[in-house]
Amino acid sequence: SQELEQSPQSLIVQEGKNLTINCTSSKTLYGLYWYKQKYGEGLIFLMMLQKGGEEKSHEKITAKLDEKKQQSSLHITASQPSHAGIYLCGAPDIYNFNKFYFGSGTKLNVKP
Amino acid sequence: GAGVSQSPSNKVTEKGKDVELRCDPISGHTALYWYRQSLGQGLEFLIYFQGNSAPDKSGLPSDRFSAERTGGSVSTLTIQRTQQEDSAVYLCASSGQGAFYNSPLHFGNGTRLTVT
Repeated sequence: SQELEQSPQSLIVQEGKNLTINCTSSKTLYGLYWYKQKYGEGLIFLMMLQKGGEEKSHEKITAKLDEKKQQSSLHITASQPSHAGIYLCGAPDIYNFNKFYFGSGTKLNVKP
Repeated sequence: GAGVSQSPSNKVTEKGKDVELRCDPISGHTALYWYRQSLGQGLEFLIYFQGNSAPDKSGLPSDRFSAERTGGSVSTLTIQRTQQEDSAVYLCASSGQGAFYNSPLHFGNGTRLTVT
């Protein structure tokens, strides 16, 4: 089965600092999604990457997809307390596109 | 418009009882997923419905788990003879066409199930 490994597992940063979260797949990636989850809530869709080398930005969050490395990175610039939460990457299983796998998440705390 | 709605938001049940969890997807979405999120764990795929096709049940952990989707809309996840290890947050997601077509999944807020 396909696995998505995220690093780091948790992160504490000072407000205003930049940070990067990585997601590495054990298999070829056909699309990669980033979600954010706050405690007690569902997952909020952030962005979707479909092609190698693709980069997307939303406000202060930028995500890139490196197909060769089977990896995606999520970068937050000038972090704010509102960025705190759990970030999860997800991707369709290359053997069964019905299945959509998620990484175990990166827990981010931003200290004011 | 309305997002994915799940009910109840919390459910406490005694070991051995049956429970039903409900998911009302976004109107017009043909794909519907159920996931389980245990404490400190990632999301575990359970089942996938796409239109009128037979569901992909390959993620259901045991035969105590079943799900149905009536009229291509509302879905119910049933857990029979609940066990303590079933305690988790059960998340439902819907998608316009499914992940295969690169259509994002939209999640509900989940049902937190506690088996005592």
